[in-house]
Amino acid sequence: TQLLEQSPQFLSIQEGENLTVYCNSSSVFSSLQWYRQEPGEGPVLLVTVVTGGEVKKLKRLTFQFGDARKDSSLHITAAQPGDTGLYLCAGEKTSYDKVIFGPGTSLSVIP
Amino acid sequence: DVKVTQSSRYLVKRTGEKVFLECVQDMDHENMFWYRQDPGLGLRLIYFSYDVKMKEKGDIPEGYSVSREKKERFSLILESASTNQTSMYLCASGGQANTGELFFGEGSRLTVL
Repeated sequence: TQLLEQSPQFLSIQEGENLTVYCNSSSVFSSLQWYRQEPGEGPVLLVTVVTGGEVKKLKRLTFQFGDARKDSSLHITAAQPGDTGLYLCAGEKTSYDKVIFGPGTSLSVIP
Repeated sequence: DVKVTQSSRYLVKRTGEKVFLECVQDMDHENMFWYRQDPGLGLRLIYFSYDVKMKEKGDIPEGYSVSREKKERFSLILESASTNQTSMYLCASGGQANTGELFFGEGSRLTVL
């Protein structure tokens, strides 16, 4: 049973389009992280959200933590080929728990 | 720049061989982790360590062992490699005030023939 679900599993879009990917759970998390992993490389941390309702922006990427701290979304505006990769959400239910990873959303941005 | 370095990017081993995967971090982090990543299964935690000489089993420790003799170095050992251990292995480190933020190495792609 996945504690963190991500959707969609795969996404292929044209350059310039907008997209949103989702990370959902039935559990409350004290914090959630988003990572991007390029093929053949390790994941790279993009952002951490800790407060319910929090919104963070990183250039064309907007991250939101749900009010109940059970879900998060990542919105990309005007996607570029450099955004291609596997987007992983991760979180911990308390500061004493192990980090849990979602299965990822594989994004392909076609020039 | 923070850095987690894994000793080998690509390895090819034969069934029954002993395999060492080494990981070094330069961030003075207490916590270090070994994951394996397989298509459709995501990242699965093998072992982790919260301090020198300490180790804890993760979700899939069978067939693996670890060593943490120094704070900056965490090694993963496959005593007798098997074909089902063909995978991408990822090392990560994180600070003591664990917010869940991890810093990963580039990964080691192991193929066991």
